[in-house]
Amino acid sequence: AQSVAQPEDQVNVAEGNPLTVKCTYSVSGNPYLFWYVQYPNRGLQFLLKYITGDNLVKGSYGFEAEFNKSQTSFHLKKPSALVSDSALYFCAVRAPNTGGFKTIFGAGTRLFVKA
Amino acid sequence: DVKVTQSSRYLVKRTGEKVFLECVQDMDHENMFWYRQDPGLGLRLIYFSYDVKMKEKGDIPEGYSVSREKKERFSLILESASTNQTSMYLCASGAVWGGGYEQYFGPGTRLTVT
Repeated sequence: AQSVAQPEDQVNVAEGNPLTVKCTYSVSGNPYLFWYVQYPNRGLQFLLKYITGDNLVKGSYGFEAEFNKSQTSFHLKKPSALVSDSALYFCAVRAPNTGGFKTIFGAGTRLFVKA
Repeated sequence: DVKVTQSSRYLVKRTGEKVFLECVQDMDHENMFWYRQDPGLGLRLIYFSYDVKMKEKGDIPEGYSVSREKKERFSLILESASTNQTSMYLCASGAVWGGGYEQYFGPGTRLTVT
């Protein structure tokens, strides 16, 4: 069965410092992996995705994520955090053999960036 | 930009009422989805639709039904609302492109059932 784990409910980081939000997954076959962000009182916004190719994926707002097949991880990173990055982040996985419709979302990690 | 709109941001309904949540997307996407979002549980798929009049159950379809009469519109129906359906409901759409498409979400409807 597919699953996604975001082991940290909350991540605190100081503005200007690098940030990492962790995600591990379990899926049969080669996964499609996604990160979404939810700002207060707004819907989810797509940040980036891994489909195939280069393991380092760059996305919106300076975020990037690294696909690590051996560790089944897809951690979200940013070199220098901004206060405006404070939001709820969701990792998601879609297996290639599910008809392309079923996406499993993690429970979410709340990021606090302190000025 | 893709735009997904939902008919209400906040709704308060009484137990036993029939509730309609509507979602409209303007990008001609084939796939549309309804999720509910609860703290600590992430997003759980209620129903999805891959074409007009086509629908598939997600992980938690009990107590819900859906309707897709037009490509751009996907409605979620709570036949008889119950307090355990108090939640944030998110609609999403996505184009068909293998399985690698991203989803576009509406702003959400926070439903309270009293």
